Amino acid sequence: SQQGEEDPQALSIQEGENATMNCSYKTSINNLQWYRQNSGRGLVHLILIRSNEREKHSGRLRVTLDTSKKSSSLLITASRAADTASYFCATDASGSNYKLTFGKGTLLTVNP
Amino acid sequence: GAGVSQSPRYKVAKRGQDVALRCDPISGHVSLFWYQQALGQGPEFLTYFQNEAQLDKSGLPSDRFFAERPEGSVSTLKIQRTQQEDSAVYLCASSLATRANYGYTFGSGTRLTVV
Repeated sequence: SQQGEEDPQALSIQEGENATMNCSYKTSINNLQWYRQNSGRGLVHLILIRSNEREKHSGRLRVTLDTSKKSSSLLITASRAADTASYFCATDASGSNYKLTFGKGTLLTVNP
Repeated sequence: GAGVSQSPRYKVAKRGQDVALRCDPISGHVSLFWYQQALGQGPEFLTYFQNEAQLDKSGLPSDRFFAERPEGSVSTLKIQRTQQEDSAVYLCASSLATRANYGYTFGSGTRLTVV
């Protein structure tokens, strides 16, 4: 079963704009991760935020986590056509410290 | 190797045929996972190995699915008597850690189509 739910399901923007994707989850977690998947390829780990962190940055990526609302957001600034991909959030439920549970993903299209 | 390698990249099987999917994890990675990804969906957990021990097989959909990692490195996911609903991308991931407190490294997957 899917733990996370990404919103929106699809997002289309112009190059240079910012893209924001949201993720909600159901149970308490140790950490939350974001992955990118290009069409027909495997998933690539982008960033991990721990349950005691509220915000984290990596290059053009900014992730926030609100454990009281059980939600996270991924912001990609100054988007590029190469950012076109599906983005998934994944959580490890506190009771299972090895297994990641993924959401259904957001399909981001960045138009040149 | 530099990454997780999966073979074959594509597999077409006739319904009822047995298939075997291979995963070569990153050398030295203790943890190995198999996930199933249906079209337009996120990956769904199938099974987890820590070295050669299969610690969790709760996600395997039926007893037609079997996974092994006999020497703690290469893993094989076997599906017996394939059905159309088995059509999906099968992803393998590995990790140096035994907890999900670091990112996983995924392979490119095997796309299985059952006709």
